Amino acid sequence: AQKITQTQPGMFVQEKEAVTLDCTYDTSDQSYGLFWYKQPSSGEMIFLIYQGSYDEQNATEGRYSLNFQKARKSANLVISASQLGDSAMYFCAMRAGANNLFFGTGTRLTVIP
Amino acid sequence: GAVVSQHPSWVICKSGTSVKIECRSLDFQATTMFWYRQFPKQSLMLMATSNEGSKATYEQGVEKDKFLINHASLTLSTLTVTSAHPEDSSFYICSAAWGLAGRHYNEQFFGPGTRLTVL
Repeated sequence: AQKITQTQPGMFVQEKEAVTLDCTYDTSDQSYGLFWYKQPSSGEMIFLIYQGSYDEQNATEGRYSLNFQKARKSANLVISASQLGDSAMYFCAMRAGANNLFFGTGTRLTVIP
Repeated sequence: GAVVSQHPSWVICKSGTSVKIECRSLDFQATTMFWYRQFPKQSLMLMATSNEGSKATYEQGVEKDKFLINHASLTLSTLTVTSAHPEDSSFYICSAAWGLAGRHYNEQFFGPGTRLTVL
């Protein structure tokens, strides 16, 4: 069975500071992918970053980086130089084996000016 | 990234009526489409998965006779909420992906969502 845990229902960060959003996962599959999505108040799901279970390097996409610690089964999202437009819900998700994408409960990030 | 559209973006209907939501992949052929439901301040819950030309696979607890899914072409899937009731009010999001059946594709592209309110 797959499980995604996001323990931070809400986070605050000062503008221009970095913030880490936590995500832990559990799966018995050896092959899996980890995703982060951003959902602003308008509702659309915006893909941010992807990490494959066999990727040796941590994924980075602009200001987003994924701190992948396989042994600890964690895939934390790091947002550097936070901007006001980063305020949104952030979902961690996993696809393992031939299963479908499974989402965590989300973290609401608020960037303070 | 690829573009997925949904129509309508919001709909209000009376209890007992049926509502159809369209999901289109605009610049790619989606072999697989997914329908999610999201209640306020909650996560996305997968309702069903559909492959073009075949019947949808519904998740446990989702009534297939109430939520009719049709994936008639590689660019269009529809979700029909039949005999809608107030408890069906929710945010419905579709997602599309391409890849050979059974292959592990990396990315799904999401539509903007449809907010359904049943009075």
